[in-house]
Amino acid sequence: AQTVTQSQPEMSVQEAETVTLSCTYDTSENNYYLFWYKQPPSRQMILVIRQEAYKQQNATENRFSVNFQKAAKSFSLKISDSQLGDTAMYFCASVHCCGAQKLVFGQGTRLTINP
Amino acid sequence: DTAVSQTPKYLVTQMGNDKSIKCEQNLGHDTMYWYKQDSKKFLKIMFSYNNKELIINETVPNRFSPKSPDKAHLNLHINSLELGDSAVYFCASSGFLGRDTEAFFGQGTRLTVV
Repeated sequence: AQTVTQSQPEMSVQEAETVTLSCTYDTSENNYYLFWYKQPPSRQMILVIRQEAYKQQNATENRFSVNFQKAAKSFSLKISDSQLGDTAMYFCASVHCCGAQKLVFGQGTRLTINP
Repeated sequence: DTAVSQTPKYLVTQMGNDKSIKCEQNLGHDTMYWYKQDSKKFLKIMFSYNNKELIINETVPNRFSPKSPDKAHLNLHINSLELGDSAVYFCASSGFLGRDTEAFFGQGTRLTVV
């Protein structure tokens, strides 16, 4: 079974600072994908970044990057130069490559960027 | 054009009523999903359909009945609503998850049962 754990219910940083959100997961599969989704107050779920488990290189998208540690089953999200618009719930999620696919989400981290 | 649209956005109803939430996607995806987000913001899959065929049914009470008339539409009908059904329900769609695409979500339907 897939499980995803986010151990930080809430985080708060000042604008322009760097923040790292933690995520660990458990799976018996070798081929899977990991995602970070953002949910601002508007409620819309927005993909931030994705990582393929068979790629060792960490994914980056502008100010967002991940630290993917496959052996440790860890997938943290780093936000550099944080902006007020980054204030949102952040969800880590995993999906197996094959079979009946479903996104399994962590509990979420509420991130607040303070001016 | 909205990629995944669901209606209504808000739904307030009394216990015991029956209600439906509609979802449509214009992305040409084969797979559609219903997720439930509870009051603690936890997101959990309820159902998935692939080309109108039910693929995943995650131990959801049979008061919840999804229906997919075609691969662009997935509706959720709920009978005999209970207080515990209050939540935000998200529809989503995707192609093959992970390698080629992500899941695209609708804006959610906040269901309040009073």
